[in-house]
Amino acid sequence: TQLLEQSPQFLSIQEGENLTVYCNSSSVFSSLQWYRQEPGEGPVLLVTVVTGGEVKKLKRLTFQFGDARKDSSLHITAAQPGDTGLYLCAGASNTGKLIFGQGTTLQVKP
Amino acid sequence: GAGVSQSPSNKVTEKGKDVELRCDPISGHTALYWYRQSLGQGLEFLIYFQGNSAPDKSGLPSDRFSAERTGGSVSTLTIQRTQQEDSAVYLCASSLVSGGLLNYGYTFGSGTRLTVV
Repeated sequence: TQLLEQSPQFLSIQEGENLTVYCNSSSVFSSLQWYRQEPGEGPVLLVTVVTGGEVKKLKRLTFQFGDARKDSSLHITAAQPGDTGLYLCAGASNTGKLIFGQGTTLQVKP
Repeated sequence: GAGVSQSPSNKVTEKGKDVELRCDPISGHTALYWYRQSLGQGLEFLIYFQGNSAPDKSGLPSDRFSAERTGGSVSTLTIQRTQQEDSAVYLCASSLVSGGLLNYGYTFGSGTRLTVV
């Protein structure tokens, strides 16, 4: 069974601080995706990483895929209140199905 | 439509009753998924439809749960004899899958919040 473990599960920080969310597994995934979800809505895709060691940047967000394609991290620089939400990592199996981590709830206080 | 549409958005039902949840995926998306999410938690996989292949039902928690996808488009998730532990948000998503690989991300609907009282 493929499992993804996210840490931390909950993070409360002040505006302007940096943070990193981790996503780890003992399984290899063909790709790994990060989603952000706001209350009452479905998750929205932020990024897909495919190649081991790949790094992608979206403004203040930096995503990294581990060399062995088993783990990933999301780093946010200078967090803002608008970054508040539930962040989910998801690994793609070789059948097109996504396995989701438990999520990280981020609260950024002004 | 432009996005994934789910109905109803909220459903309150009495324990023991049956419920049907509907999902209209993005036109042309070959794959359709159902997930369940408890408050503030991750997503629990339920079932996956891909083209004309037999669905992956490995996530359905009991035989009270079933789903079908008609004409490769609309899907209905049915929960029979609902129990209080079935209370959750049920999310539907669609995507393009080619050669068994997920080429793009999922597009999710806003979910159906099911409350069993």
